[in-house]
Amino acid sequence: EPEVTQTPSHQVTQMGQEVILRCVPISNHLYFYWYRQILGQKVEFLVSFYNNEISEKSEIFDDQFSVERPDGSNFTLKIRSTKLEDSAMYFCASRGTDTEAFFGQGTRLTVV
Amino acid sequence: AQKVTQAQTEISVVEKEDVTLDCVYETRDTTYYLFWYKQPPSGELVFLIRRNSFDEQNEISGRYSWNFQKSTSSFNFTITASQVVDSAVYFCALSRAGNNRKLIWGLGTSLAVNP
Repeated sequence: EPEVTQTPSHQVTQMGQEVILRCVPISNHLYFYWYRQILGQKVEFLVSFYNNEISEKSEIFDDQFSVERPDGSNFTLKIRSTKLEDSAMYFCASRGTDTEAFFGQGTRLTVV
Repeated sequence: AQKVTQAQTEISVVEKEDVTLDCVYETRDTTYYLFWYKQPPSGELVFLIRRNSFDEQNEISGRYSWNFQKSTSSFNFTITASQVVDSAVYFCALSRAGNNRKLIWGLGTSLAVNP
């Protein structure tokens, strides 16, 4: 069964460092998303991406965040200068034309 | 604005009990989708069901059933004869129709099924 793959599963980084979270969506999907979940809290939408551009972003997705689909298969989320409050589980999801969103296993980001 | 409310923060039941998780939503759209996801202790998000706003038919899948009522803007989830493996956080979510379909999430209900 096709699945969304995220790497790494856990990333520890120093405050102020840049991190790149990687996702390989399901191959024939066209819509891509990043969500985050601060420990014990609800899941929050960060950004959606379609046709090689951002289609919507939330207030959380400020100038420190960026997304890219560099090679037609990977979908990355970059945080330029991490803050302590960026510590969370980050989920990538992809969706076909009329399917539900399929989620990756998540990347737990810990900023110290 | 769209909103999902899961008023039950935590529920604890004994194995084999039936349990219903409530979900109330708000939207001004006439076409939308409703979802339930399960998040077990391992942390991944597991899709359970998607419902189109035009399809109010209730659905049953094994021990799981869903009751969608547009009149009360509710999409409740019942687990029959609960098992310890059902212990997880359950999220209800809402999306618009159209291309984007970002998910708006409830706060989740943490279900503990005790032996």
